[in-house]
Amino acid sequence: DQQVKQNSPSLSVQEGRISILNCDYTNSMFDYFLWYKKYPAEGPTFLISISSIKDKNEDGRFTVFLNKSAKHLSLHIVPSQPGDSAVYFCAAGGNQFYFGTGTSLTVIP
Amino acid sequence: DAGVIQSPRHEVTEMGQEVTLRCKPISGHNSLFWYRQTMMRGLELLIYFNNNVPIDDSGMPEDRFSAKMPNASFSTLKIQPSEPRDSAVYFCASSLREGWRGYTFGSGTRLTVV
Repeated sequence: DQQVKQNSPSLSVQEGRISILNCDYTNSMFDYFLWYKKYPAEGPTFLISISSIKDKNEDGRFTVFLNKSAKHLSLHIVPSQPGDSAVYFCAAGGNQFYFGTGTSLTVIP
Repeated sequence: DAGVIQSPRHEVTEMGQEVTLRCKPISGHNSLFWYRQTMMRGLELLIYFNNNVPIDDSGMPEDRFSAKMPNASFSTLKIQPSEPRDSAVYFCASSLREGWRGYTFGSGTRLTVV
């Protein structure tokens, strides 16, 4: 069974607006969470992470929020840019990581 | 550094044939991971190695799949015999050490079994 779920396969957002990508996990023992970005014909690249001792981590336009009680994390991108159009994977784990199915983000100019 | 190098980029093979995917991790990275990407299941971890030793192969779908890491700079994922349902993109990733959070992925091998 999927230990990490991304329930929205796709998302479209206007340039300049906020993109919010969501992710749920099932294992309360997971202590680290990652977001990866993937362009077509390329491997995923690391974007941002958060450990279970925090509830927010910010890096420029990207912010990840963690709600441990709900086993939920989200990635906020603001302002969204056309170059952000890609597939975003969340991952959770510790020594090894379990990935979700990905959300395809399209930022419309 | 050239990053994680996978070969071939694309592989088309007939059902029943043996397929071998190759991966060269980043020099100095001690952990290596094989993932499979499908629409239904996203990125599935198949197996990972630490210091060339397989640590967890519980994600390997069945006995037709095998992986080896004979040395720190090379790993293979073999499917024998291949089936159409094995068609997917296979990624190799490496990281500095077990538990290190930053994985570097290769560009993947797109496998099509007809």
